[in-house]
Amino acid sequence: DIQMTQSPSTLSASVGDRVTITCRASQSISTWLAWYQQKPGKAPTLLIYKASTLESGVPLRFSGSGSGTEFTLTISSLQPDDFATYYCQQYNSFSSFTFGQGTKVEI
Amino acid sequence: EVQLVESGGGLVQPGGSLRLSCLGSGFNFSRYWMTWVRQAPGKGLEGVANIKEDGSVKYYVDSVKDRFTVSRDNAKNSLYLQMNGLRAEDTAVYYCAGNSEKKGWGFDPWGRGTLVTVSS
Repeated sequence: DIQMTQSPSTLSASVGDRVTITCRASQSISTWLAWYQQKPGKAPTLLIYKASTLESGVPLRFSGSGSGTEFTLTISSLQPDDFATYYCQQYNSFSSFTFGQGTKVEI
Repeated sequence: EVQLVESGGGLVQPGGSLRLSCLGSGFNFSRYWMTWVRQAPGKGLEGVANIKEDGSVKYYVDSVKDRFTVSRDNAKNSLYLQMNGLRAEDTAVYYCAGNSEKKGWGFDPWGRGTLVTVSS
């Protein structure tokens, strides 16, 4: 199975900061990677798919990049609504769709 | 409005069974792969099982194989998860989610989740 490793696990930041979260796959997944935001008590929401395509309605301060085994999620200027937990997820095949362990972005 | 609504969760004793349901509306349910994703209290997300648009292909995470069965009824826009032989480690919020090629197989939409608690 493909393993996804996110770093850091927790990130302390301030409003206005530029934030970068990294996700590494244990083998190449091309660009079959998605990023999700989850707030406490809520379901995750899709932010980015195919590594860099912004989901409709997601603010432009979010961006994704990478291919193969190394991926990043960047928030260009952190806003109060962005404090949440972020997950990457690979979808290299229908039988394998593992998530990273999550990155909590806190004040 | 695009919506997925789960139901069927609750408290069950170890070794017991539950059947979760997920009702879709506002989108073409039959054109989506559907997946059950769970989240144990304070933990991350784990894909449990998924099923192809027409129900012909199904996959399971190793920890639930031979205990859980995923199915769907496209005429009713519904997804199901039959859970047998439940264990304490199956305690989690269970979400249903749809995915399609048009969003690079990313999961969207998601339901709000239903809580399954396995305890004596």
